[in-house]
Amino acid sequence: EAQVTQNPRYLITVTGKKLTVTCSQNMNHEYMSWYRQDPGLGLRQIYYSMNVEVTDKGDVPEGYKVSRKEKRNFPLILESPSPNQTSLYFCASRYGGASEAFFGQGTRLTVV
Amino acid sequence: LAKTTQPISMDSYEGQEVNITCSHNNIATNDYITWYQQFPSQGPRFIIQGYKTKVTNEVASLFIPADRKSSTLSLPRVSLSDTAVYYCLVGDLYSGAGSYQLTFGKGTKLSVIP
Repeated sequence: EAQVTQNPRYLITVTGKKLTVTCSQNMNHEYMSWYRQDPGLGLRQIYYSMNVEVTDKGDVPEGYKVSRKEKRNFPLILESPSPNQTSLYFCASRYGGASEAFFGQGTRLTVV
Repeated sequence: LAKTTQPISMDSYEGQEVNITCSHNNIATNDYITWYQQFPSQGPRFIIQGYKTKVTNEVASLFIPADRKSSTLSLPRVSLSDTAVYYCLVGDLYSGAGSYQLTFGKGTKLSVIP
């Protein structure tokens, strides 16, 4: 089954404690992205990747890091989380351009 | 990707047909129009995609006029389960240049009333 898998689904952490949210896709897609969603602000892109070792900043990259060492994985790293990073996060993948994007189940992160 | 404009919200009664219009005045020749649906706390889900005239699938229809500067997503006989946010996106399906970012915006929040 074609899917994008994110882990964990829910996470509560404390300010400053490094964390990683994993994302994996099994469709051999080249493009992968991370979004955050906050009430009233819609989906905002954090980082995206066009291929292995090729990443670029989206609209809200501050406080986040990503890496793309393998085609299937695109982890999101928060080196020093802060309460303003409390949000619902989605990972997505697609073949390219504006082709159909597949989204993960979401990760609800709370930073206290 | 071309900028899109759609209503912030819409209300409809159950059983009615709902039409959500998206404006994309700067659509390029190679651009396709894609609609996604998002339920609360879930990731967006692809609904339909088209280039011109009309596209229909089991979920919705997409109407695109000849000038392609707008498009209309039509949901027939909506039910309560169609309450969701609907996003309109415009972009070249395959081109890398200028299409790296997939920008969703705020979408149209559709509320279906019993």
